[in-house]
Amino acid sequence: QQQVRQSPQSLTVWEGETAILNCSYENSAFDYFPWYQQFPGEGPALLISILSVSNKKEDGRFTIFFNKREKKLSLHIADSQPGDSATYFCAANYGNEKITFGAGTKLTIKP
Amino acid sequence: GGIITQTPKFLIGQEGQKLTLKCQQNFNHDTMYWYRQDSGKGLRLIYYSITENDLQKGDLSEGYDASREKKSSFSLTVTSAQKNEMAVFLCASSPGTANTGQLYFGEGSKLTVL
Repeated sequence: QQQVRQSPQSLTVWEGETAILNCSYENSAFDYFPWYQQFPGEGPALLISILSVSNKKEDGRFTIFFNKREKKLSLHIADSQPGDSATYFCAANYGNEKITFGAGTKLTIKP
Repeated sequence: GGIITQTPKFLIGQEGQKLTLKCQQNFNHDTMYWYRQDSGKGLRLIYYSITENDLQKGDLSEGYDASREKKSSFSLTVTSAQKNEMAVFLCASSPGTANTGQLYFGEGSKLTVL
């Protein structure tokens, strides 16, 4: 059973639009949620993260919205750029070194 | 800054063969990880190690062995390669407590089994 689920599997938006990537989780003990960005041929790299005590985290054009009651979070990418085209992974953990990843959303930004 | 180096980048093996992947990090991080990445399935944790000579099983440890003989290196062995198996193995490290630090990944080792 997948503990971290992501949707959609793939997403295409036009340049300048806001891309919304969704994530949900099963384990209510999870308290740290990083998002990783992966370009083809590279390893994932941390993009932005949030702790469960917060409901929003912003970093430039990237914003995480977190709903602890519904066990859902989303990554919003404002003013999407072609360079944002990548696969995005939602992940979660709860105070130990074991991080659980979702299956990823492949984002394509059309110019 | 530091770097994670994985060798080899590409590995072609035969069914039933034992295959070893190596990972080196110069961050001086305590914790190291091996993940398997399959298309459409995301990253699944195989083994991790919180210090030298420590090993912790992940969700996908069956069919794999791991070794952490030095703080800077972490190796993964596929004990018996499966025919037509194709996956990318990603090594990562983190400074310690994962919920306050981040994972730093290598570029991956791509395995193809003929």
